[in-house]
Amino acid sequence: DAKTTQPPSMDCAEGRAANLPCNHSTISGNEYVYWYRQIHSQGPQYIIHGLKNNETNEMASLIITEDRKSSTLILPHATLRDTAVYYCIAQIYNQGGKLIFGQGTELSVKP
Amino acid sequence: DTAVSQTPKYLVTQMGNDKSIKCEQNLGHDTMYWYKQDSKKFLKIMFSYNNKELIINETVPNRFSPKSPDKAHLNLHINSLELGDSAVYFCASSPGTPGGSPLHFGNGTRLTVT
Repeated sequence: DAKTTQPPSMDCAEGRAANLPCNHSTISGNEYVYWYRQIHSQGPQYIIHGLKNNETNEMASLIITEDRKSSTLILPHATLRDTAVYYCIAQIYNQGGKLIFGQGTELSVKP
Repeated sequence: DTAVSQTPKYLVTQMGNDKSIKCEQNLGHDTMYWYKQDSKKFLKIMFSYNNKELIINETVPNRFSPKSPDKAHLNLHINSLELGDSAVYFCASSPGTPGGSPLHFGNGTRLTVT
């Protein structure tokens, strides 16, 4: 079973920041938080991952709380092409690529 | 260039048939995977190969047999297809030894068993 919980759906206005929350209250010390997204009819796409510190790349920012029990993925300026299902995954770094996907959050970016 | 490519994109077949799905990656990765996404949209790992060796084999019926002729290819052969095998099958790859490197997924093969 997935070790994370996410809201099933969210809306965001185009051009605004999309903040996607994720709870992982049972995360262990050696588990990273990964984010992937799946745009309709495509394969999942890696976005970002982190352990303790906040992370930023060209796609998004990841904010992890100090107790590591929750995190937020931030898409700073959402576009219509960001409409997708976003998956938050807590995973041991060396788990052989065995990602355990939950139901994710369906993000709808609206004009 | 497509990084992880799967063929065919769509596959419709009857119960009892045998079919194969092919996957190729041009990223130079050492590890390849098969994931299955069912009608409820849950994604689950089926198999993982590292340098042509099987390293993950989830509780998948033995009608499913992966084959890795080289580290750039991981094919999935399914015998005696059943209605419950209908799903989208995704191939993926990652660099290096199995670990936390991000997975690169193909765009899936939608299998429909009638």
